Amino acid sequence: DTGVSQNPRHKITKRGQNVTFRCDPISEHNRLYWYRQTLGQGPEFLTYFQNEAQLEKSRLLSDRFSAERPKGSFSTLEIQRTEQGDSAMYLCASSLKGPGNTIYFGEGSWLTVV
Amino acid sequence: QQPVQSPQAVILREGEDAVINCSSSKALYSVHWYRQKHGEAPIFLMILLKGGEQKGHDKISASFNEKKQQSSLYLTASQLSYSGTYFCGTEKLENEKLTFGTGTRLTIIP
Repeated sequence: DTGVSQNPRHKITKRGQNVTFRCDPISEHNRLYWYRQTLGQGPEFLTYFQNEAQLEKSRLLSDRFSAERPKGSFSTLEIQRTEQGDSAMYLCASSLKGPGNTIYFGEGSWLTVV
Repeated sequence: QQPVQSPQAVILREGEDAVINCSSSKALYSVHWYRQKHGEAPIFLMILLKGGEQKGHDKISASFNEKKQQSSLYLTASQLSYSGTYFCGTEKLENEKLTFGTGTRLTIIP
């Protein structure tokens, strides 16, 4: 499969624990995006990278959230000291830079904080 | 700012047509349409880049009115497989991230 790959697909964690999600984009894509989605809502932008540079972070992204894309390929999203409000699906997407390019989404990583 | 979609939900019988609208309060560079089934990733449908541009494939098409800052998605002769939640994603500037709308839940019944 050559699509966007995310893991783990599901994670249940206790409040206060740290979690990390990994995203492997489509191989030639230089743009990588993280979104968060809760039930009944549209995907909510968190952050995005062009190659290894983080271009923008949403104000929603508190200091407990950090994302990296160290070599411009895969990316990780870490949530420290998780809270119940962090429970959501975390979606990764990738695209080529440029107008009219399709943004392809991965299957998402479901996080449940108990 | 998040684009607003209407209607929020619609129920159709197989074979009927539907229109889903997406409006923004800001000038737009492009509109992207996605369909998402429960528990799955959003699947890309189409991009509209220019004002007034209309695109389509099969029985799903869309238009983009740049002046009105809105886009509409047209589903003709709906099939059961069209069920899901439809999202528009808007791009204010070229090469910017997408901001997704509130979603329209479409249910097709036999």
